[in-house]
Amino acid sequence: KAGVTQTPRYLIKTRGQQVTLSCSPISGHRSVSWYQQTPGQGLQFLFEYFSETQRNKGNFPGRFSGRQFSNSRSEMNVSTLELGDSALYLCASSLETQTSYGYTFGSGTRLTVV
Amino acid sequence: GEDVEQSLFLSVREGDSSVINCTYTDSSSTYLYWYKQEPGAGLQLLTYIFSNMDMKQDQRLTVLLNKKDKHLSLRIADTQTGDSAIYFCAEKGGSYIPTFGRGTSLIVHP
Repeated sequence: KAGVTQTPRYLIKTRGQQVTLSCSPISGHRSVSWYQQTPGQGLQFLFEYFSETQRNKGNFPGRFSGRQFSNSRSEMNVSTLELGDSALYLCASSLETQTSYGYTFGSGTRLTVV
Repeated sequence: GEDVEQSLFLSVREGDSSVINCTYTDSSSTYLYWYKQEPGAGLQLLTYIFSNMDMKQDQRLTVLLNKKDKHLSLRIADTQTGDSAIYFCAEKGGSYIPTFGRGTSLIVHP
């Protein structure tokens, strides 16, 4: 079966702009989590969506938001981009919320803010 | 908050065993995971262990858990150049959201 699909793979944006990233989970998976990966901070949890509801949220400013659609696809949005938002954004899907059995990750979207 | 620590680098010769170590602070950890990340890719779940287990073996991979010392290790037998990647330890406990270590870069020399 198809894996977790993230689009686009690469993105270059200017400071102050906003960006939307997309994630399609594995078919049948209803939970989607987002992580930010940077060399300095490692993997930082952004938020988790399950059945179109945000179930958990990490310690990120309100500029970072997300949503989930009825088909479980998820988008995350970052407004008023800052240079420090440059990172690899990873989406991870699982069958259920707060799963104990680990995630399936996508390949990520590499965002560069200039 | 809870923390997961790993050494940054490990270098081994092809054919040798690799042991990647991880320590964590969350005493309520229930599940611990090992993920592998190859260049340009996301994280791939290799294996996980429940906190009431001491060891789990899966082909060339052996996971050892010392719950008293909050120490987790991943042993890769007969390490190959294709095993070169970044390996992440993660734990899940009371917060329900996994906490990841910074990753250990495994470099395998021919």
